[in-house]
Amino acid sequence: NAGVTQTPKFRVLKTGQSMTLLCAQDMNHEYMYWYRQDPGMGLRLIHYSVGEGTTAKGEVPDGYNVSRLKKQNFLLGLESAAPSQTSVYFCASSYVTQRSPQEQFFGPGTRLTVL
Amino acid sequence: LAKTTQPISMDSYEGQEVNITCSHNNIATNDYITWYQQFPSQGPRFIIQGYKTKVTNEVASLFIPADRKSSTLSLPRVSLSDTAVYYCLVGVLNYGGSQGNLIFGKGTKLSVKP
Repeated sequence: NAGVTQTPKFRVLKTGQSMTLLCAQDMNHEYMYWYRQDPGMGLRLIHYSVGEGTTAKGEVPDGYNVSRLKKQNFLLGLESAAPSQTSVYFCASSYVTQRSPQEQFFGPGTRLTVL
Repeated sequence: LAKTTQPISMDSYEGQEVNITCSHNNIATNDYITWYQQFPSQGPRFIIQGYKTKVTNEVASLFIPADRKSSTLSLPRVSLSDTAVYYCLVGVLNYGGSQGNLIFGKGTKLSVKP
């Protein structure tokens, strides 16, 4: 099993450009998440999905859109990149229970720089 | 939303027990407490999770007092390979995902020295 993979690993954008980050998992997990990590800020939840075709906002959703067309994939889009979106982006997945958040499995991250 | 506070850094020596405390004063009734470990240039890795009292697994223990306003991660007999950043995570995503949130602390950088 590859676990959680993220594409690309690095990217440099100019202000105003758009891009899509791809997350894929092969563990048949229902839940998937996108986080951003900035120095001194820890990880902040951007969006998450509880299943194919569903998405929900996290703590910092502004400026991002997501889609979950297939259970194994979760896409994070930046329509018009801004320097404030320079960050390391982590995708994670977990299986679901009714009563608690389960162990999240994280990908290796995508380092994005917006000039 | 629960806000979490952790010490920025801690130092220890090999073989010692390390306790890292996370404060979460406005934790909600349904929130769970989870701890993750992160090495440089890697994604976080799950360590332990609990709701109340004490939880123990093969690598760590988690102590949660009755008021649940804080939690303490205990690492017994640390080694150099335990040098990492440790995050506490508070929150829950309600079944169906229609509400809820997950809030990470800013992390505690643990340095283990020989």
